[in-house]
Amino acid sequence: SYVLTQPPSVSVAPGQTARITCGGNNIGSKSVHWYQQKPGQAPVLVVYDDSDRPSGIPERFSGSNSGNTATLTISRVEAGDEADYYCQVWDSSSDHRVVFGTGTKVTVL
Amino acid sequence: EVQLVESGGGLVQPGGSLRLSCAASGFTVSSNYMSWVRQAPGKGLEWVSVIYSGGSTYYADSVKGRFTISRDNSKNTLYLQMNSLRAEDTAVYYCARGSPTVVTLGYWGQGTLVTVSS
Repeated sequence: SYVLTQPPSVSVAPGQTARITCGGNNIGSKSVHWYQQKPGQAPVLVVYDDSDRPSGIPERFSGSNSGNTATLTISRVEAGDEADYYCQVWDSSSDHRVVFGTGTKVTVL
Repeated sequence: EVQLVESGGGLVQPGGSLRLSCAASGFTVSSNYMSWVRQAPGKGLEWVSVIYSGGSTYYADSVKGRFTISRDNSKNTLYLQMNSLRAEDTAVYYCARGSPTVVTLGYWGQGTLVTVSS
């Protein structure tokens, strides 16, 4: 089965840039989506199709995807960005599975 | 406004059954890809099942043969029938809406807690 690997944690100072990676075999050939989840809340889509942002999501959130790694970048990090982040792909061609990454806890110092 | 409201969670004994509901408003369930995602206490997100707008259904290996996803178009509601429940099924269960053609989960419900314990 397809596996998406994320670092367990990332720490960043306010105003700096956080980068969260999502590793998967030839992930660059798939569309990657990213979700933010704060404690006690449902996940929120922050980036879809590698690099697009839903309406209402700040431009500080951006994404890229190439080769075996997709990356979510959070620029000018704010205290409110502290949350868990998950990448996700959907295999529409073979077994139609949805796969989530292992999740990354972003801590704002 | 898109809204998803789950219900039906609770405490159930191992081997028991439970049916979760997800009442939708602001859009048509049958026109979109709808999914169930769960999260065990302190753990990450785990995909459970998806139903496509055309009616095809797919499941994670961990629930295949025990869980059934379905929808009632007249009630605009998504369901998850869960049988032969195990302790490892204990989780918050979320329903989520994709688009008419892809599983990009742009809308989520607030979740309902299922606890499997004797």
